[in-house]
Amino acid sequence: AQSVTQPDIHITVSEGASLELRCNYSYGATPYLFWYVQSPGQGLQLLLKYFSGDTLVQGIKGFEAEFKRSQSSFNLRKPSVHWSDAAEYFCAAPNAGNNRKLIWGLGTSLAVNP
Amino acid sequence: NAGVTQTPKFQVLKTGQSMTLQCAQDMNHNSMYWYRQDPGMGLRLIYYSASEGTTDKGEVPNGYNVSRLNKREFSLRLESAAPSQTSVYFCASSADGTGTDTQYFGPGTRLTVL
Repeated sequence: AQSVTQPDIHITVSEGASLELRCNYSYGATPYLFWYVQSPGQGLQLLLKYFSGDTLVQGIKGFEAEFKRSQSSFNLRKPSVHWSDAAEYFCAAPNAGNNRKLIWGLGTSLAVNP
Repeated sequence: NAGVTQTPKFQVLKTGQSMTLQCAQDMNHNSMYWYRQDPGMGLRLIYYSASEGTTDKGEVPNGYNVSRLNKREFSLRLESAAPSQTSVYFCASSADGTGTDTQYFGPGTRLTVL
Protein backbone atom coordinates (compact mmCIF):
# COMPACT_ATOMS: atom_id res chain seq x y z
CA ALA A 1 0.00 0.00 0.00
CA GLN A 2 1.11 3.53 -0.68
CA SER A 3 2.64 5.21 2.32
CA VAL A 4 4.39 8.33 3.52
CA THR A 5 6.76 7.79 6.41
CA GLN A 6 8.39 10.29 8.69
CA PRO A 7 10.90 8.25 10.67
CA ASP A 8 11.52 10.86 13.36
CA ILE A 9 8.68 11.52 15.77
CA HIS A 10 10.51 14.24 17.65
CA ILE A 11 13.66 16.24 16.98
CA THR A 12 15.38 18.85 19.10
CA VAL A 13 17.92 21.28 17.66
CA SER A 14 19.67 24.34 18.96
CA GLU A 15 18.82 27.73 17.55
CA GLY A 16 21.14 28.52 14.67
CA ALA A 17 21.85 24.88 13.92
CA SER A 18 20.96 23.23 10.64
CA LEU A 19 17.91 21.04 10.32
CA GLU A 20 16.92 18.06 8.23
CA LEU A 21 13.56 16.34 8.59
CA ARG A 22 13.14 13.06 6.81
CA CYS A 23 10.27 11.90 4.63
CA ASN A 24 10.12 8.65 2.70
CA TYR A 25 7.39 7.65 0.30
CA SER A 26 6.40 4.41 -1.37
CA TYR A 27 5.04 4.83 -4.86
CA GLY A 28 6.33 3.66 -8.21
CA ALA A 29 5.74 6.72 -10.32
CA THR A 30 7.16 10.14 -9.66
CA PRO A 31 5.02 11.46 -6.90
CA TYR A 32 3.79 14.86 -6.01
CA LEU A 33 5.05 15.68 -2.53
CA PHE A 34 4.23 18.30 0.03
CA TRP A 35 5.58 19.62 3.30
CA TYR A 36 3.18 21.38 5.65
CA VAL A 37 3.93 23.07 8.97
CA GLN A 38 1.67 23.37 11.99
CA SER A 39 2.64 25.97 14.56
CA PRO A 40 1.36 25.38 18.10
CA GLY A 41 -2.38 25.84 18.33
CA GLN A 42 -2.70 26.60 14.63
CA GLY A 43 -3.84 24.96 11.45
CA LEU A 44 -1.46 23.62 8.82
CA GLN A 45 0.28 25.80 6.27
CA LEU A 46 2.02 24.73 3.07
CA LEU A 47 5.80 25.09 3.23
CA LEU A 48 6.61 23.78 -0.24
CA LYS A 49 5.65 21.22 -2.83
CA TYR A 50 7.33 19.18 -5.53
CA PHE A 51 5.70 18.25 -8.82
CA SER A 52 8.44 17.66 -11.34
CA GLY A 53 11.55 19.26 -12.76
CA ASP A 54 14.17 20.66 -10.43
CA THR A 55 14.56 18.26 -7.54
CA LEU A 56 15.52 21.01 -5.11
CA VAL A 57 12.45 22.98 -4.13
CA GLN A 58 12.45 26.26 -2.27
CA GLY A 59 9.69 27.11 0.15
CA ILE A 60 8.61 29.75 2.59
CA LYS A 61 10.43 30.67 5.80
CA GLY A 62 13.81 29.70 4.36
CA PHE A 63 13.01 25.99 3.99
CA GLU A 64 13.98 23.79 1.08
CA ALA A 65 13.45 20.15 0.23
CA GLU A 66 15.18 17.77 -2.12
CA PHE A 67 13.48 14.98 -4.00
CA LYS A 68 15.69 11.91 -4.38
CA ARG A 69 14.08 9.18 -6.43
CA SER A 70 16.86 6.69 -5.71
CA GLN A 71 16.19 6.97 -1.98
CA SER A 72 12.41 7.52 -2.22
CA SER A 73 12.94 10.57 -0.06
CA PHE A 74 11.83 14.16 0.13
CA ASN A 75 13.75 15.59 3.07
CA LEU A 76 13.14 19.07 4.40
CA ARG A 77 16.11 21.26 5.28
CA LYS A 78 16.91 24.62 6.76
CA PRO A 79 20.47 25.91 7.18
CA SER A 80 19.86 27.87 10.39
CA VAL A 81 16.88 27.22 12.63
CA HIS A 82 15.06 30.00 14.46
CA TRP A 83 13.11 29.57 17.68
CA SER A 84 9.92 30.34 15.75
CA ASP A 85 10.46 27.18 13.68
CA ALA A 86 9.35 25.06 16.62
CA ALA A 87 6.31 23.30 15.21
CA GLU A 88 4.96 20.05 13.84
CA TYR A 89 5.97 19.20 10.28
CA PHE A 90 3.99 16.93 7.99
CA CYS A 91 4.95 15.33 4.72
CA ALA A 92 2.13 14.31 2.34
CA ALA A 93 1.47 12.87 -1.10
CA PRO A 94 -1.66 12.36 -3.22
CA ASN A 95 -3.34 9.00 -2.89
CA ALA A 96 -2.65 7.14 -6.14
CA GLY A 97 -6.01 5.39 -5.90
CA ASN A 98 -7.97 8.58 -5.38
CA ASN A 99 -5.95 11.68 -5.96
CA ARG A 100 -8.54 13.84 -4.28
CA LYS A 101 -7.15 12.56 -1.01
CA LEU A 102 -3.73 13.03 0.51
CA ILE A 103 -1.70 10.43 2.36
CA TRP A 104 -0.13 12.07 5.37
CA GLY A 105 2.93 11.19 7.34
CA LEU A 106 2.46 11.09 11.09
CA GLY A 107 4.47 14.24 11.58
CA THR A 108 7.74 15.28 13.19
CA SER A 109 7.66 17.55 16.19
CA LEU A 110 10.52 20.04 16.20
CA ALA A 111 11.73 21.67 19.40
CA VAL A 112 14.30 24.46 19.28
CA ASN A 113 16.64 25.10 22.21
CA PRO A 114 17.76 28.70 22.78
CA ASN B 1 -9.64 37.82 3.21
CA ALA B 2 -10.08 35.52 6.23
CA GLY B 3 -9.21 32.27 4.42
CA VAL B 4 -10.77 29.30 6.23
CA THR B 5 -12.70 29.99 9.40
CA GLN B 6 -14.03 27.48 11.89
CA THR B 7 -16.44 27.79 14.77
CA PRO B 8 -16.36 27.10 17.61
CA LYS B 9 -12.71 27.07 18.66
CA PHE B 10 -13.36 24.94 21.72
CA GLN B 11 -16.26 22.73 22.74
CA VAL B 12 -16.99 20.32 25.58
CA LEU B 13 -19.79 17.81 25.11
CA LYS B 14 -21.24 15.05 27.18
CA THR B 15 -21.55 11.59 25.69
CA GLY B 16 -24.66 11.39 23.53
CA GLN B 17 -24.96 15.11 22.85
CA SER B 18 -24.96 16.40 19.31
CA MET B 19 -23.25 19.36 17.75
CA THR B 20 -22.29 20.87 14.43
CA LEU B 21 -18.88 22.24 13.58
CA GLN B 22 -19.02 25.06 11.10
CA CYS B 23 -16.47 25.85 8.39
CA ALA B 24 -16.43 28.59 5.80
CA GLN B 25 -13.92 29.70 3.18
CA ASP B 26 -13.79 32.93 1.23
CA MET B 27 -11.32 31.86 -1.47
CA ASN B 28 -13.94 30.61 -3.93
CA HIS B 29 -12.52 27.11 -3.62
CA ASN B 30 -14.37 24.14 -5.05
CA SER B 31 -13.22 21.49 -2.61
CA MET B 32 -13.45 21.27 1.16
CA TYR B 33 -12.32 18.73 3.73
CA TRP B 34 -12.79 17.71 7.33
CA TYR B 35 -9.89 16.12 9.19
CA ARG B 36 -9.34 15.02 12.72
CA GLN B 37 -5.96 15.12 14.41
CA ASP B 38 -5.07 12.84 17.29
CA PRO B 39 -1.72 12.40 19.04
CA GLY B 40 0.44 9.87 17.27
CA MET B 41 -2.07 9.38 14.48
CA GLY B 42 -1.45 12.40 12.30
CA LEU B 43 -4.26 13.77 10.19
CA ARG B 44 -7.13 11.53 9.16
CA LEU B 45 -9.71 12.51 6.60
CA ILE B 46 -13.29 12.27 7.80
CA TYR B 47 -15.24 13.55 4.78
CA TYR B 48 -14.55 15.70 1.81
CA SER B 49 -16.56 17.60 -0.75
CA ALA B 50 -14.98 17.76 -4.18
CA SER B 51 -17.45 20.37 -5.33
CA GLU B 52 -20.65 22.03 -4.26
CA GLY B 53 -23.39 19.42 -3.98
CA THR B 54 -21.11 16.42 -3.52
CA THR B 55 -19.69 14.74 -0.45
CA ASP B 56 -17.61 11.60 -0.03
CA LYS B 57 -16.32 9.53 2.84
CA GLY B 58 -12.74 9.67 3.95
CA GLU B 59 -10.84 7.25 6.17
CA VAL B 60 -12.86 7.67 9.37
CA PRO B 61 -16.46 8.72 8.54
CA ASN B 62 -18.29 6.66 11.16
CA GLY B 63 -20.17 8.78 13.67
CA TYR B 64 -20.12 11.88 11.49
CA ASN B 65 -22.27 13.54 8.88
CA VAL B 66 -21.49 16.48 6.65
CA SER B 67 -23.35 19.07 4.67
CA ARG B 68 -21.97 21.20 1.86
CA LEU B 69 -24.40 24.02 2.38
CA ASN B 70 -23.08 26.11 -0.51
CA LYS B 71 -19.74 26.72 -2.13
CA ARG B 72 -18.45 28.57 0.93
CA GLU B 73 -19.65 26.41 3.78
CA PHE B 74 -19.04 22.81 4.83
CA SER B 75 -20.35 21.63 8.20
CA LEU B 76 -19.56 18.53 10.23
CA ARG B 77 -22.17 17.06 12.53
CA LEU B 78 -21.77 14.68 15.42
CA GLU B 79 -25.20 13.18 16.04
CA SER B 80 -24.35 11.34 19.26
CA ALA B 81 -20.93 12.25 20.54
CA ALA B 82 -18.66 9.59 22.00
CA PRO B 83 -15.43 9.96 23.99
CA SER B 84 -13.56 8.47 21.01
CA GLN B 85 -14.48 11.61 19.09
CA THR B 86 -12.41 13.77 21.41
CA SER B 87 -9.98 15.33 18.97
CA VAL B 88 -8.91 18.46 17.18
CA TYR B 89 -10.92 18.98 14.02
CA PHE B 90 -9.59 20.86 11.01
CA CYS B 91 -11.42 22.09 8.00
CA ALA B 92 -9.49 22.72 4.81
CA SER B 93 -10.21 23.87 1.30
CA SER B 94 -8.50 23.68 -2.06
CA ALA B 95 -9.14 25.28 -5.41
CA ASP B 96 -9.83 22.24 -7.57
CA GLY B 97 -9.66 19.30 -5.21
CA THR B 98 -6.97 17.32 -6.94
CA GLY B 99 -4.25 15.81 -4.82
CA THR B 100 -1.72 18.16 -6.35
CA ASP B 101 -3.57 21.19 -5.13
CA THR B 102 -2.57 23.12 -2.02
CA GLN B 103 -4.92 22.72 0.89
CA TYR B 104 -5.63 25.71 3.12
CA PHE B 105 -6.48 24.95 6.70
CA GLY B 106 -8.60 26.60 9.33
CA PRO B 107 -7.37 27.12 12.90
CA GLY B 108 -9.14 24.04 14.24
CA THR B 109 -11.81 23.14 16.76
CA ARG B 110 -10.71 21.39 19.93
CA LEU B 111 -13.52 19.05 20.99
CA THR B 112 -13.68 17.15 24.25
CA VAL B 113 -16.37 14.53 24.83
CA LEU B 114 -16.84 13.53 28.45
